[in-house]
Amino acid sequence: SAVISQKPSRDICQRGTSLTIQCQVDSQVTMMFWYRQQPGQSLTLIATANQGSEATYESGFVIDKFPISRPNLTFSTLTVSNMSPEDSSIYLCLVGGGNTEAFFGQGTRLTVV
Amino acid sequence: QKEVEQDPGPLSVPEGAIVSLNCTYSNSAFQYFMWYRQYSRKGPELLMYTYSSGNKEDGRFTAQVDKSSKYISLFIRDSQPSDSATYLCAMSFQGGSEKLVFGKGTKLTVNP
Repeated sequence: SAVISQKPSRDICQRGTSLTIQCQVDSQVTMMFWYRQQPGQSLTLIATANQGSEATYESGFVIDKFPISRPNLTFSTLTVSNMSPEDSSIYLCLVGGGNTEAFFGQGTRLTVV
Repeated sequence: QKEVEQDPGPLSVPEGAIVSLNCTYSNSAFQYFMWYRQYSRKGPELLMYTYSSGNKEDGRFTAQVDKSSKYISLFIRDSQPSDSATYLCAMSFQGGSEKLVFGKGTKLTVNP
């Protein structure tokens, strides 16, 4: 299985600021996704991080709020912009999917105060 | 109707019990089915990965897929306190978008 390093593991941020979360994989992967996990809710897909092109966002998520970079096949970042307390959640990167096994990073626990 | 339905529990069983966890889904195009285990304050870890219908066994864990009923199960034999966690089912399509769709997760407690 892929070794995935997600940073930071947790952060407490002031409202109105931005946080960038990094996901580093030890091998090249085609599929990389960003999910949000809120208490009592399913894991919700924010976007698919596409290498060399703009991310594909799910309904309800927009690039201005959640800009994503994918400069190569081993690395991606998710930024949570202009944060509000409603953005407090766990954010997870997922690599793989479809006809390959999919693995999560350790998650980033974000609290916005 | 949600794409994937999973009873959130909580489910509490004595040590040694057989545990059955289930998910139903509505989209017959799902082809790949997964179970993840998530301990508190950790990222989900992949337990089982299956393609189409049938059974797959790995140690004390057995995954079953019944595509005709749109129903998947995870069985845990001889459950241990260390199995206490939230179990998430997930599924994805073949080809096209390969994103995973998740159930809400079932919280399991195995009591010593």
